[in-house]
Amino acid sequence: RKEVEQDPGPFNVPEGATVAFNCTYSNSASQSFFWYRQDCRKEPKLLMSVYSSGNEDGRFTAQLNRASQYISLLIRDSKLSDSATYLCVVNVFELIFGQGTTLQVKP
Amino acid sequence: DTEVTQTPKHLVMGMTNKKSLKCEQHMGHRAMYWYKQKAKKPPELMFVYSYEKLSINESVPSRFSPECPNSSLLNLHLHALQPEDSALYLCASSTGGRMNTEAFFGQGTRLTVV
Repeated sequence: RKEVEQDPGPFNVPEGATVAFNCTYSNSASQSFFWYRQDCRKEPKLLMSVYSSGNEDGRFTAQLNRASQYISLLIRDSKLSDSATYLCVVNVFELIFGQGTTLQVKP
Repeated sequence: DTEVTQTPKHLVMGMTNKKSLKCEQHMGHRAMYWYKQKAKKPPELMFVYSYEKLSINESVPSRFSPECPNSSLLNLHLHALQPEDSALYLCASSTGGRMNTEAFFGQGTRLTVV
């Protein structure tokens, strides 16, 4: 079983749609959690950290459920520029990446 | 300055060549990482340096040799690589320590082995 699992997609959605990505992790000692965004042929960039109480940054909302070892990312009102791969990352003294979920937002 | 700088951006090398990838950060971070990323795959951890000491080596072949000359610099020395080693090599840094924070990535070196 992989340490961090994501649905690879692709998710194809129209502009303005709401889309949710899920991620599960296996190590209960995981300390911190992040969502990264990676554009084609570019480096991963931090989108947002994920806190136990849940956190929001504009159109993006992240949730963490430690009991279920589950992380989510919700994107509201999708824009064309949101098209990218979204990587769930878990920190267990080193960063462990999920395989990424590809999002394609279409006009 | 939240920047990690990697050089070169692109590198083509033959299987008998020796080359080095360089990474630099001036954020005072004490953990630095090398990742390898193949197309359509997530980054795979290769090495972690924590406080200038190698703390994790993910069973990487010896043709890859990391070096951390000081807290701001991280090198990856390459020798006798194989074509399957062609990939994007990403350097990252984070604050380090047990309460680790997010990592910042460099733009990567796109390596082609011919």
